[in-house]
Amino acid sequence: GAGVSQSPSNKVTEKGKDVELRCDPISGHTALYWYRQSLGQGLEFLIYFQGNSAPDKSGLPSDRFSAERTGGSVSTLTIQRTQQEDSAVYLCASSPQQGSLGGLSSNYGYTFGSGTRLTVV
Amino acid sequence: AQTVTQSQPEMSVQEAETVTLSCTYDTSESNYYLFWYKQPPSRQMILVIRQEAYKQQNATENRFSVNFQKAAKSFSLKISDSQLGDTAMYFCAFMMGPSTGAGSYQLTFGKGTKLSVIP
Repeated sequence: GAGVSQSPSNKVTEKGKDVELRCDPISGHTALYWYRQSLGQGLEFLIYFQGNSAPDKSGLPSDRFSAERTGGSVSTLTIQRTQQEDSAVYLCASSPQQGSLGGLSSNYGYTFGSGTRLTVV
Repeated sequence: AQTVTQSQPEMSVQEAETVTLSCTYDTSESNYYLFWYKQPPSRQMILVIRQEAYKQQNATENRFSVNFQKAAKSFSLKISDSQLGDTAMYFCAFMMGPSTGAGSYQLTFGKGTKLSVIP
């Protein structure tokens, strides 16, 4: 697609339920990132994929959080047994290759999706 | 670990005027990159401007320019001729360079400055 697509745009879930958030990166982008943006905060790094492998999972806040990427394309972020503190906007970004530095051209670098707003009630 | 600080939670500017957003960062690295991102209500993060730490010349993109003070670890954004469409959250971000061996090229963000352009 032309951009990074995330679904759903908004999700309301009950505390204790599991949720899956989807990210469809730009075709051909091998690097994929998940970030979390809590209310009033900047973005917090969660996980980085290069192809289907995740060499950097250092930002995942707990073992309730996991992510996978298949076919070097779509990625799913799963949150199990959701808690109210999980409420946030979850943003995905993709990049053509490791080492791309977010160039100003829309055809090069670090492109973000519009995020999924997760509300845990 | 790197940290990024934006000390102005909210700012406002009259249309057509100039505004400067502040950002300071802390790192022991010498090779890194700094960014300003804009986040409108659509939530998508849009890259405004980028600065390579090894470059002494301040980056400029149309109405947007930066004042990069490496010794002071300061990276402010100046918006000239402010337009209503500039109303958004602005985030300063840091990325370590390839030579550091950090492979993920993750961004470290400040908490943002909410900019309102007043007609």
